[in-house]
Amino acid sequence: GAVVSQHPSWVICKSGTSVKIECRSLDFQATTMFWYRQFPKQSLMLMATSNEGSKATYEQGVEKDKFLINHASLTLSTLTVTSAHPEDSSFYICSAPGVPTSYEQYFGPGTRLTVT
Amino acid sequence: QKEVEQDPGPLSVPEGAIVSLNCTYSNSAFQYFMWYRQYSRKGPELLMYTYSSGNKEDGRFTAQVDKSSKYISLFIRDSQPSDSATYLCAMSGGSNYKLTFGKGTLLTVNP
Repeated sequence: GAVVSQHPSWVICKSGTSVKIECRSLDFQATTMFWYRQFPKQSLMLMATSNEGSKATYEQGVEKDKFLINHASLTLSTLTVTSAHPEDSSFYICSAPGVPTSYEQYFGPGTRLTVT
Repeated sequence: QKEVEQDPGPLSVPEGAIVSLNCTYSNSAFQYFMWYRQYSRKGPELLMYTYSSGNKEDGRFTAQVDKSSKYISLFIRDSQPSDSATYLCAMSGGSNYKLTFGKGTLLTVNP
């Protein structure tokens, strides 16, 4: 299957600072990527759809000014958590369809964010 | 009513048992159904992908979809301790390719 990587795998930051998380498709191009958040023992909640060459589409209740998404190329999407607070501490995971029109999504290994 | 319902378990079985995992859904538009396996603190791994109703088999795994009942299942034969993980059902049907996930079922296979 297609491989998606994320960097960093784990990050600790202080309250009020910003953190950038990268999501890369390693062996395929992804015009669309998805960003999810997962709290302990809970399912994945879709935050936003990242579109190469255009603005991201955010799910209801997700602050677009807080969670900045940039789809810089066909293999890279970034999520920046701005002015992070302890309640932003979570597991952030990205995914991408293996082919552009496929419903099969491949997930990255996730990034654990801890805000102190 | 949530769009996708999945019993979170936990489910504990002895090695070699047949495991049955299930999800129900309410959205008739769902056409694509997936099962993911997620180990602790890792990203989900795609196990099975099916379109519309029917069965699909891959090794020890069988996925079933019954659209008339809005019910999907994943069967694991000859379960192994390495199968211990959280299993998430996911489904989609719109042109935006978004996935809707179940809560996940935590499975433990005991040696």
